[in-house]
Amino acid sequence: GAVVSQHPSRVICKSGTSVKIECRSLDFQATTMFWYRQFPKQSLMLMATSNEGSKATYEQGVEKDKFLINHASLTLSTLTVTSAHPEDSSFYICSAQWTSYNEQFFGPGTRLTVL
Amino acid sequence: RKEVEQDPGPFNVPEGATVAFNCTYSNSASQSFFWYRQDCRKEPKLLMSVYSSGNEDGRFTAQLNRASQYISLLIRDSKLSDSATYLCVVTSYSGAGSYQLTFGKGTKLSVIP
Repeated sequence: GAVVSQHPSRVICKSGTSVKIECRSLDFQATTMFWYRQFPKQSLMLMATSNEGSKATYEQGVEKDKFLINHASLTLSTLTVTSAHPEDSSFYICSAQWTSYNEQFFGPGTRLTVL
Repeated sequence: RKEVEQDPGPFNVPEGATVAFNCTYSNSASQSFFWYRQDCRKEPKLLMSVYSSGNEDGRFTAQLNRASQYISLLIRDSKLSDSATYLCVVTSYSGAGSYQLTFGKGTKLSVIP
């Protein structure tokens, strides 16, 4: 149980295009989903916290107009990187929190490369 | 001061060795503590929770010292498969029923044949 999927697992795109990443909790309902970014040899950095049916809460320094988050249902959250640039190339990982539990379950990550 | 600090390593140890990782955290209101393992280009996976009373899972022992805001992980009889980056993770309540995880940068372990 507690499986989280992400799609796509890898994407290569041209600078200026938008990329959508999906995060799904497959066998549980996640009231809260989190989006992280990890640059090489760096720790995971929380980008935003997403609660179903409400606006995401962004961490300081993360542009909400660039990283659009939609959490339309209890099993799906999407992150759209708008007008991607090479500096957005990173490993994006989502996690889902089961109600009342501390533990977050991580998706397998999406590796974004912007040319 | 960084919120969660770890020695980045790398720790290169021979098979069978015992290795210890340390971690300190700055937020005294932190509530839960974990060690995660992350393999190269993969997502983090929960290794074990950390309690003040200490807990052991096979070859792995984790310890928490709340007064010193210090967490440790001990791996005994290292295996080649233990090679990975070990992440110290601290959670704090962020409101509305959700908990926020703060990750350390990780300590890289390489177990050598």
